[in-house]
Amino acid sequence: DSGVTQTPKHLITATGQRVTLRCSPRSGDLSVYWYQQSLDQGLQFLIQYYNGEERAKGNILERFSAQQFPDLHSELNLSSLELGDSALYFCASSQDSGMLYFGPGTRLTVT
Amino acid sequence: LAKTTQPISMDSYEGQEVNITCSHNNIATNDYITWYQQFPSQGPRFIIQGYKTKVTNEVASLFIPADRKSSTLSLPRVSLSDTAVYYCLVGETGGFKTIFGAGTRLFVKA
Repeated sequence: DSGVTQTPKHLITATGQRVTLRCSPRSGDLSVYWYQQSLDQGLQFLIQYYNGEERAKGNILERFSAQQFPDLHSELNLSSLELGDSALYFCASSQDSGMLYFGPGTRLTVT
Repeated sequence: LAKTTQPISMDSYEGQEVNITCSHNNIATNDYITWYQQFPSQGPRFIIQGYKTKVTNEVASLFIPADRKSSTLSLPRVSLSDTAVYYCLVGETGGFKTIFGAGTRLFVKA
């Protein structure tokens, strides 16, 4: 158990819909990262937050947005969903030590 | 961020030692080398991190030559449960945009 929690575990929704994925980092970790992993693909870095502020952006689509709240939990919002958005979405946290601790992921299926 | 190159896949048998080499020719002075392991449908898990020479923990060893342009993850006496994807990352600790490459798929056979 990494100490990072993600909800929900599974999500099935239809094209065009909007969903919110939630992540709670390990206690004391200020950085939160979001990654997308499609079937048999590598981990695509989406975005990083540090203590509530956006720190780095990867290949995140304009239809996707994220934020980190004062209690340090983070949410990833995915809108106008397409079939190709079906993937595992991982959240990770760190104390800026270079070691990332990953959550169990949210499996999103868009039908 | 330093780009890394790893073999796409490797096969091994139970009980053997497995060495996975990662090339990172443009590694910067402040960069550390970190390895992660990922099982199917799970998030990656930290294995080991080093800066130079050799680092060993309870699961692996990491060998880094003096020029630091490559590193080798060594897994002693692998078992079937070591079948996974192994990622090599290079960057400053706490650096931005921690980006994973394609990784190395290790298959351990009985």
